[in-house]
Amino acid sequence: GIQVEQSPPDLILQEGANSTLRCNFSDSVNNLQWFHQNPWGQLINLFYIPSGTKQNGRLSATTVATERYSLLYISSSQTTDSGVYFCAVSADSWGKLQFGAGTQVVVTP
Amino acid sequence: KAGVTQTPRYLIKTRGQQVTLSCSPISGHRSVSWYQQTPGQGLQFLFEYFSETQRNKGNFPGRFSGRQFSNSRSEMNVSTLELGDSALYLCASTPGGRIYGYTFGSGTRLTVV
Repeated sequence: GIQVEQSPPDLILQEGANSTLRCNFSDSVNNLQWFHQNPWGQLINLFYIPSGTKQNGRLSATTVATERYSLLYISSSQTTDSGVYFCAVSADSWGKLQFGAGTQVVVTP
Repeated sequence: KAGVTQTPRYLIKTRGQQVTLSCSPISGHRSVSWYQQTPGQGLQFLFEYFSETQRNKGNFPGRFSGRQFSNSRSEMNVSTLELGDSALYLCASTPGGRIYGYTFGSGTRLTVV
């Protein structure tokens, strides 16, 4: 199956700082999503981005499918950005997202 | 429109019992997937249903089963519970057909004692 590696595993930021999270995957994919898991466990969909670049407010993401990696940028971080960020990919047409281990982000005031 | 709804939110069961979890997808979504999240194994795929048919299955023992109804609502069942089944169980839905992003519910936190 597809291997998904996320880095760094942990990130501590001061409020207002910028950061970049990386996701490497081992094979071609037709689905790539970034999620933020809140303290209550819900996975919030940030981006559906199998290729290209997208932006949503202070967050943006870029996937370079030919080089098998994706980046999530957090700008002007806020304490509410704390949580675990997951990258998930799929090569199937039907279901089965393969998740990375996540990046634990802590934003301090 | 309403998101993915999972019930119950929390559940405590005794080893050896069985449990049924429910997932109602976003209206119009025909594909429902289930995932187990544990601190040791992370997020692992259980199975995926589309139009009442299981299309994909992860590497879990036969104690884990699921089904989907004609209204796309899905249930998963775990029989003969073990302590290691304690986990957050997450359900996701997508329209199906072409590739779309998945939307997750809030999860059911199962504790086996």
